[in-house]
Amino acid sequence: DARVTQTPRHKVTEMGQEVTMRCQPILGHNTVFWYRQTMMQGLELLAYFRNRAPLDDSGMPKDRFSAEMPDATLATLKIQPSEPRDSAVYFCASGLVTSGSNEQFFGPGTRLTVL
Amino acid sequence: GESVGLHLPTLSVQEGDNSIINCAYSNSASDYFIWYKQESGKGPQFIIDIRSNMDKRQGQRVTVLLNKTVKHLSLQIAATQPGDSAVYFCAGVPWGYQKVTFGTGTKLQVIP
Repeated sequence: DARVTQTPRHKVTEMGQEVTMRCQPILGHNTVFWYRQTMMQGLELLAYFRNRAPLDDSGMPKDRFSAEMPDATLATLKIQPSEPRDSAVYFCASGLVTSGSNEQFFGPGTRLTVL
Repeated sequence: GESVGLHLPTLSVQEGDNSIINCAYSNSASDYFIWYKQESGKGPQFIIDIRSNMDKRQGQRVTVLLNKTVKHLSLQIAATQPGDSAVYFCAGVPWGYQKVTFGTGTKLQVIP
């Protein structure tokens, strides 16, 4: 049963610390997305990769956030330095760009708390 | 102190009844519209999508209706079950691009 995995599932850290969240997309998928979900803003797209190349990171605060795909099986989202307002659930999703397919498969999320 | 956050509209439905969840959109450039379901503590799950040149699409127990004239999308769930309790999001996807813009969501509560 193929699924997107994310680690860690929960992270509590102090303001100013670096946070790294990892995602393993479904094997064979060529698109990867990072979303952030909060009560205030709902679900927001942070960054989007296709074939490991970043296509859109306009939703991401550039000064502290960075997203990369070192290889096809790993996507990372880093926050440095972290701030309390970064507290949220971060979701990774993957999909396959083919004609007629819009389905994105979401991981279980990383719940981040910045104190 | 006062807690401020998104106030999700809530729809309460008796088990076995049909549910209709509505969504209004503003971006006419969307080529596809998608409905996602998010259960508590989980990531969103794809339910069904509809292309902008269609007005109706049916899946298993679900039907999506699209009215482009009034920019309105609805999700109908037949014979609602307790497992359908979740937050439902509509989303728009522009042509040739998988960048999804999510709506704020509607919480569906199924009363046993």
